[in-house]
Amino acid sequence: AQSVTQLDSQVPVFEEAPVELRCNYSSSVSVYLFWYVQYPNQGLQLLLKYLSGSTLVKGINGFEAEFNKSQTSFHLRKPSVHISDTAEYFCAVSGGGGSNYKLTFGKGTLLTVNP
Amino acid sequence: DSGVTQTPKHLITATGQRVTLRCSPRSGDLSVYWYQQSLDQGLQFLIQYYNGEERAKGNILERFSAQQFPDLHSELNLSSLELGDSALYFCASSDPTGGVGNTIYFGEGSWLTVV
Repeated sequence: AQSVTQLDSQVPVFEEAPVELRCNYSSSVSVYLFWYVQYPNQGLQLLLKYLSGSTLVKGINGFEAEFNKSQTSFHLRKPSVHISDTAEYFCAVSGGGGSNYKLTFGKGTLLTVNP
Repeated sequence: DSGVTQTPKHLITATGQRVTLRCSPRSGDLSVYWYQQSLDQGLQFLIQYYNGEERAKGNILERFSAQQFPDLHSELNLSSLELGDSALYFCASSDPTGGVGNTIYFGEGSWLTVV
């Protein structure tokens, strides 16, 4: 079984500050890792994903994440945030293989960027 | 715009009633997923269909059922509704033939309020 733990439910930061949103996963098989963002009253949008290869993954809107297999982590980072980055961020894992690509999500981290 | 269309966007109904949520996947996508998002449970996977057949089942109640039609659109039927069924229901789609770790695209959701 797979599970995802997002270590912070809320992260407040000031505009132009760096931010890190933490995610740990648990799985007995090789996994694929994802970060989604949900803006207020909208659906989920993919920020980035890790499938294989380089452990540093770059996504949209200046976000990046680093896969660390030994620590079973996939933390999301941005060097300088904007007010428009205020949203809820979800880390997710899928097991891949066959036709079952369902995602298991963490509880989410609410990022609030203050002026 | 993800290309996944959900209707209705908002729905208010009484306890004990039955509702149907509709989803049109992205053009060409064969897989459809349903997720429930609530404050207490977070994002929960309900069920997955692939080309008309059920492929994976998650935390879906017996009062809930879904199907995927030959034109690939899907419906989620919720019956004997309870107050606790109030949530945001997401439909998502993906094309498994696109390879491992393929992206799952989410619609904007259907807000269900049971009163």
